Amino acid sequence: NAGVTQTPKFQVLKTGQSMTLQCAQDMNHEYMSWYRQDPGMGLRLIHYSVGAGITDQGEVPNGYNVSRSTTEDFPLRLLSAAPSQTSVYFCASSLEGRPYEQYFGPGTRLTVT
Amino acid sequence: GENVEQHPSTLSVQEGDSAVIKCTYSDSASNYFPWYKQELGKRPQLIIDIRSNVGEKKDQRIAVTLNKTAKHFSLHITETQPEDSAVYFCAASKAGRRALTFGSGTRLQVQP
Repeated sequence: NAGVTQTPKFQVLKTGQSMTLQCAQDMNHEYMSWYRQDPGMGLRLIHYSVGAGITDQGEVPNGYNVSRSTTEDFPLRLLSAAPSQTSVYFCASSLEGRPYEQYFGPGTRLTVT
Repeated sequence: GENVEQHPSTLSVQEGDSAVIKCTYSDSASNYFPWYKQELGKRPQLIIDIRSNVGEKKDQRIAVTLNKTAKHFSLHITETQPEDSAVYFCAASKAGRRALTFGSGTRLQVQP
């Protein structure tokens, strides 16, 4: 099992550009989520999904879109990048009944200039 | 929504000493309390969790305690080793809420 994978590992964007962060898992987990990690602020939930076709907003959803067309994939789209979106982004997955046991991907370090 | 506060933000101990990290939560309905460890440049990984029907749980040198009345829970690491150096995050969740709320993290440094 590859577990949770994310691409790219690093990305630099200019203000106003858009891009998609990819996330995939091969553990057949129903639940997937996106977090951003900023210094001193822990991990904050952006969006999550409890299954294909079902998504919901987390704590900091503004400026991000998600979709879940398959169980395996959960891409995160930045619509118009802003410097405030400079962060490390983690994708995570878990079994539906075990939200406390999340498996994280390796992260994407995004810099917006 | 749920709010989780974590203290201290940094903690330095000598090898062999104990370390304690404390968290408080706001939603009395929360009943899952996991702890994650994140080594430098790596992904967070679950190290231990406790449910609200249990007051204490141990796993070798790591223990977690929960006080539901006071709405706080703690991570205890005994006989610390340099490889325990990392950032530790507490979190809270509840049945039916398919998300975790994380604390802001504690950077633990174990001095050899």
